[in-house]
Amino acid sequence: DAKTTQPPSMDCAEGRAANLPCNHSTISGNEYVYWYRQIHSQGPQYIIHGLKNNETNEMASLIITEDRKSSTLILPHATLRDTAVYYCIVRVAGGNQGGKLIFGQGTELSVKP
Amino acid sequence: GAVVSQHPSWVICKSGTSVKIECRSLDFQATTMFWYRQFPKQSLMLMATSNEGSKATYEQGVEKDKFLINHASLTLSTLTVTSAHPEDSSFYICSAHGGTGEAFFGQGTRLTVV
Repeated sequence: DAKTTQPPSMDCAEGRAANLPCNHSTISGNEYVYWYRQIHSQGPQYIIHGLKNNETNEMASLIITEDRKSSTLILPHATLRDTAVYYCIVRVAGGNQGGKLIFGQGTELSVKP
Repeated sequence: GAVVSQHPSWVICKSGTSVKIECRSLDFQATTMFWYRQFPKQSLMLMATSNEGSKATYEQGVEKDKFLINHASLTLSTLTVTSAHPEDSSFYICSAHGGTGEAFFGQGTRLTVV
């Protein structure tokens, strides 16, 4: 079973910041928080990941609470092309069996003009 | 980022036939690849872990004799849906992990069994 809970859907106005929350209260010390998104009928796209520090890249920012039980993905200036299902996943980093990704239901983000 | 290529993008086959889907890591070597299935309006469901040079590890409830996985090289894993039936119609997606741990996904294969 997925170890994260996310709201099923969210709306965001184009140009505004989209803040997507994720709860992962049972996260283990060696598990990272990963975010992926899936645009309709495509494979998921990697966005960002972090362990305990906040992270930022060209796509988004990831804010992880101090107790690591929740996090927020921030898309600073949402565009219509950011409309997708966003998945928050916790997993042990690495390419072995322990690093497999278990997807929850995700948040369907709709960016509106 | 790293590129994972999946082929074909879509396929239509007759009931009872077998279909092979390829997953290639184009610019990195992947000792482990993963296969997922996704039904409409649902999330991705992990089917199996494909290990280069050894047998795949299947998730509970996934029939290993129906979904044959071969990972013969560090850049190629294949999933063969044997004796396909309409209920096998789905979106099949593979992934491979890059050197820093993030997973890269193929573009998916839409299988329709008629």
